[in-house]
Amino acid sequence: RKEVEQDPGPFNVPEGATVAFNCTYSNSASQSFFWYRQDCRKEPKLLMSVYSSGNEDGRFTAQLNRASQYISLLIRDSKLSDSATYLCVVKTGANNLFFGTGTRLTVIP
Amino acid sequence: GAGVSQSPSNKVTEKGKDVELRCDPISGHTALYWYRQSLGQGLEFLIYFQGNSAPDKSGLPSDRFSAERTGGSVSTLTIQRTQQEDSAVYLCASSLTPDNEQFFGPGTRLTVL
Repeated sequence: RKEVEQDPGPFNVPEGATVAFNCTYSNSASQSFFWYRQDCRKEPKLLMSVYSSGNEDGRFTAQLNRASQYISLLIRDSKLSDSATYLCVVKTGANNLFFGTGTRLTVIP
Repeated sequence: GAGVSQSPSNKVTEKGKDVELRCDPISGHTALYWYRQSLGQGLEFLIYFQGNSAPDKSGLPSDRFSAERTGGSVSTLTIQRTQQEDSAVYLCASSLTPDNEQFFGPGTRLTVL
């Protein structure tokens, strides 16, 4: 079983729509959780960390459910510039980041 | 300021040849990581350096892969006797400390013919 599993998509949504991505992780000892964004042929960049209480950054809301080992990312009022691949990332142990394969989002005008 | 840089950006090699990939981390970052990303796959952790030592080499896929870091700065990932399955984008990341955000370089796209 993979450490991190994501629906690869693609998700094609119109501008202004709300879209949600989900991710599950297998190791209950995982300590830290993140969403990274990766544009085509570019390096991943940190979008936001995910905290147990849930956290929001503008149009982006991240939630963590430790009991179900489940992480989510909600994007409200989608913009064309949100088109990218969103990577669910889990930190287990001192150093290892485990990346999901990513969920591809295309926002359509 | 300067981010993580990697060279070369693209490398095409023949099966069986050795290749060296270079990473220049952000100045002052003590932690350095190597990952690879194959088509349709998530990023795969390869190795982690704290300073010049590598406390975690668990991700290296075979003994053909090795890496070193000198002066607490530049790191080189070496792949010996390359195979076609080594074709991937090799990404380097650095962080101020292991607990801080990792910043990624642009990657080296390796193609083994």
